[in-house]
Amino acid sequence: AQTVTQSQPEMSVQEAETVTLSCTYDTSESDYYLFWYKQPPSRQMILVIRQEAYKQQNATENRFSVNFQKAAKSFSLKISDSQLGDAAMYFCAAAGTASKLTFGTGTRLQVTL
Amino acid sequence: DTEVTQTPKHLVMGMTNKKSLKCEQHMGHRAMYWYKQKAKKPPELMFVYSYEKLSINESVPSRFSPECPNSSLLNLHLHALQPEDSALYLCASSQVGWGGNEKLFFGSGTQLSVL
Repeated sequence: AQTVTQSQPEMSVQEAETVTLSCTYDTSESDYYLFWYKQPPSRQMILVIRQEAYKQQNATENRFSVNFQKAAKSFSLKISDSQLGDAAMYFCAAAGTASKLTFGTGTRLQVTL
Repeated sequence: DTEVTQTPKHLVMGMTNKKSLKCEQHMGHRAMYWYKQKAKKPPELMFVYSYEKLSINESVPSRFSPECPNSSLLNLHLHALQPEDSALYLCASSQVGWGGNEKLFFGSGTQLSVL
């Protein structure tokens, strides 16, 4: 089983700037996966980025990258060159190899001009 | 086609009504999920079907009845719901199973209001 904690209910960033969303987790499993999902006003949950815990290299997807600190059980999301379309609720999530996805409580990101 | 399609987008029903939510995907995925999401909360898993068989039921009340007629289609039959069941119901699919190494593809949900 996993627990996921997002301590920032809301964040704000100016367009073109960089923002980092925090996430910590706990798990009893040795093999697990970490995710960031985005939920814009359209309500569809969209996978932003995925990290396999056995990989030391931080995952990146275009303007999105993570800082995965395994020993600290930390998994933050960095959004570079923020765009208006990045405004959404962001959920951090974790899952073991054979266990269901556990979501954090979410961080609402506002992007201002 | 990387879409998961859910219908209807909005549904209002009385506590004595029977209604169904529908979810469809044509990505060849063999696992399909129902999630319930209350406002300002994360999604909560309800059911998982893997290869058209019910794999996970998260102790959901029997007034919610899932059905997977084929690998592309997932239904959620609703009967005698309570006002506290009002929520966004999200469908998702993944390629094979429901383990953590699977990427989930979500639909846009059905916003359900029970009066």
